[in-house]
Amino acid sequence: EVQLVESGGGLVKPGGSLRLSCAASGFTFSNAWMSWVRQTPGKGLEWVGRIKSRTDGGTTDYALPVKGRFTISRDDSKNTLYLQMNSLKTEDTALYYCTTDDYYDRSGYHPGWVYWGQGTLVTVSS
Amino acid sequence: DIVMTQTPLSSPVTLGQPASISCRSSQSLVHRDGNTYLSWLQQRPGQPPRLLIYKISNRFSGVPDRFSGSGAGTDFTLKISRVEAEDVGVYYCMQSTQFPWTFGQGTKVEIK
Repeated sequence: EVQLVESGGGLVKPGGSLRLSCAASGFTFSNAWMSWVRQTPGKGLEWVGRIKSRTDGGTTDYALPVKGRFTISRDDSKNTLYLQMNSLKTEDTALYYCTTDDYYDRSGYHPGWVYWGQGTLVTVSS
Repeated sequence: DIVMTQTPLSSPVTLGQPASISCRSSQSLVHRDGNTYLSWLQQRPGQPPRLLIYKISNRFSGVPDRFSGSGAGTDFTLKISRVEAEDVGVYYCMQSTQFPWTFGQGTKVEIK
């Protein structure tokens, strides 16, 4: 059974830092391109950023509101995805999900947004 | 950024009746590889989103055939042929053709 389990959320003051983790199991994590998506009641779903597989370069892309402040990384030996969040702002308050992005490998196309965790809540407030 | 606009934002439907959601993008979603990366997601209350449709019209594994997607370029539609009680939730279109990936505002489907 595929599982994505996010952790690391919590209450943090503006300007603070937090690192989220996403533990994956039940699929070949090392092949997967992964994204972080956040959700707020007011702004709906918002894509945060993506990391490719190491085989495909392991490069990252970010949404403009988080670029330069957030860093996505992965540890394939631990089947874990990370989101390092620095210089947090009140507008970063959201439920953060990790999910699979779409990608191609030798077996063809893999649609994204198939696997999701339950999310971890980040609250930025003084 | 590509703006995704969904209509309606709310859709009260009678059980067994059809429902249709429109999604319009501010730019063409045709990728340089020729594919159109337009997906539809369903989010039931208290749950993470779930993939229903990818690349406009491909139903993901396990998704009931009452769900169908269509469209091209900038105009897309999700149809539910006969709404069932389990279909209640919020439906999102999203594009992964051009960075940043973007989502529609969501359409709430509820039973009348």
